[in-house]
Amino acid sequence: KAGVTQTPRYLIKTRGQQVTLSCSPISGHRSVSWYQQTPGQGLQFLFEYFSETQRNKGNFPGRFSGRQFSNSRSEMNVSTLELGDSALYLCASSPSRSSYEQYFGPGTRLTVT
Amino acid sequence: QKEVEQDPGPLSVPEGAIVSLNCTYSNSAFQYFMWYRQYSRKGPELLMYTYSSGNKEDGRFTAQVDKSSKYISLFIRDSQPSDSATYLCAIKGGGGNKLTFGTGTQLKVEL
Repeated sequence: KAGVTQTPRYLIKTRGQQVTLSCSPISGHRSVSWYQQTPGQGLQFLFEYFSETQRNKGNFPGRFSGRQFSNSRSEMNVSTLELGDSALYLCASSPSRSSYEQYFGPGTRLTVT
Repeated sequence: QKEVEQDPGPLSVPEGAIVSLNCTYSNSAFQYFMWYRQYSRKGPELLMYTYSSGNKEDGRFTAQVDKSSKYISLFIRDSQPSDSATYLCAIKGGGGNKLTFGTGTQLKVEL
């Protein structure tokens, strides 16, 4: 079974721009969660999507948004990029909202200059 | 105070040593306890999970949870250089799939 895929793997953007990251979950998994990983803050929860609806949101500004499509693929968007948004963005997929299983993709490394 | 505390290390041990990695947490509502391993430039990989107090063993790995003390541990027996990675504890509570992570412990197993 193919794992979680994320595109692109690397991205360099300039302050003020916006960016869209994509995640394809494991086949059959309906829940997709997004995390931001930085050396200073570690892994922090951004949001969770299930059945095309945002179910949970972390403590991030409104510049961070996402969506999920009917095939469970998900995208996250960051608008008006700031230097502090430089991070590894990880997507995790799970079969359901009650499962202990969450499998992570390789991440998208975003650098904001 | 963070909800999950984990010693960041780094921790360096000789090959064959027993490694003990620990986390403490503050929220009694947490229900599932996981350990992830993350190699450099990779996403975290689920190693073990448990949802009750006690021990759970899988090969060279043992996960231990003490809910009364809000303390979780991962033991690695006969450690190998391939175990060199960052180990993250993660805890899930309430509804949904939000995981709260520790900061991760960087482990190096030396020949």
